[in-house]
Amino acid sequence: QKEVEQNSGPLSVPEGAIASLNCTYSDRVSQSFFWYRQYSGKSPELIMSIYSNGDKEDGRFTAQLNKASQYVSLLIRDSQPSDSATYLCAVVYLSLSGNTPLVFGKGTRLSVIA
Amino acid sequence: SAVISQKPSRDICQRGTSLTIQCQVDSQVTMMFWYRQQPGQSLTLIATANQGSEATYESGFVIDKFPISRPNLTFSTLTVSNMSPEDSSIYLCSAQRGNDSPLHFGNGTRLTVT
Repeated sequence: QKEVEQNSGPLSVPEGAIASLNCTYSDRVSQSFFWYRQYSGKSPELIMSIYSNGDKEDGRFTAQLNKASQYVSLLIRDSQPSDSATYLCAVVYLSLSGNTPLVFGKGTRLSVIA
Repeated sequence: SAVISQKPSRDICQRGTSLTIQCQVDSQVTMMFWYRQQPGQSLTLIATANQGSEATYESGFVIDKFPISRPNLTFSTLTVSNMSPEDSSIYLCSAQRGNDSPLHFGNGTRLTVT
């Protein structure tokens, strides 16, 4: 059973603060991890990919991966009200057919308070 | 990233009817997947659309209910057959350029069954 766990929130942070979003996954062989942002009524939008242990930074976003502990996190620095959305953690898994779809967590709802 | 056009964007259908959703990608992609997102929930994989062969369905989804076609590398359809109110959901087409790559999503089809 491939599982991706996230705290559903809501996570409320003041404008300008750091938002920290966490995700754990069950499949030890997973190698590719993604964070998506989904605004209400919209489809998911890719914001970060990470494949190796450690940190990966892109603008105000930092993804962190620890394969030994099977967790991946997303930090959003200088949070803005426009960051208010649901953040989905996604993990690639290798299906029996050899395909590599993504398994998604339930998402963490982030609210940035102005 | 791939640009994915999905239509219809929304529809209201009567119980017992069928709806076919079309998905067009602007360039050739390796993999196409269909997901469902029920209100307030995360994304659930329905099936992998295989080019030129039968789709690969996830547990809980069957071909008779969700027939899928993928005649070429840029186009796929999902049919929701013999609909019931429980099928009311957002259906999302996604594309992947290669194994372990992120998915990109169409804008989704919001289906309401009355």
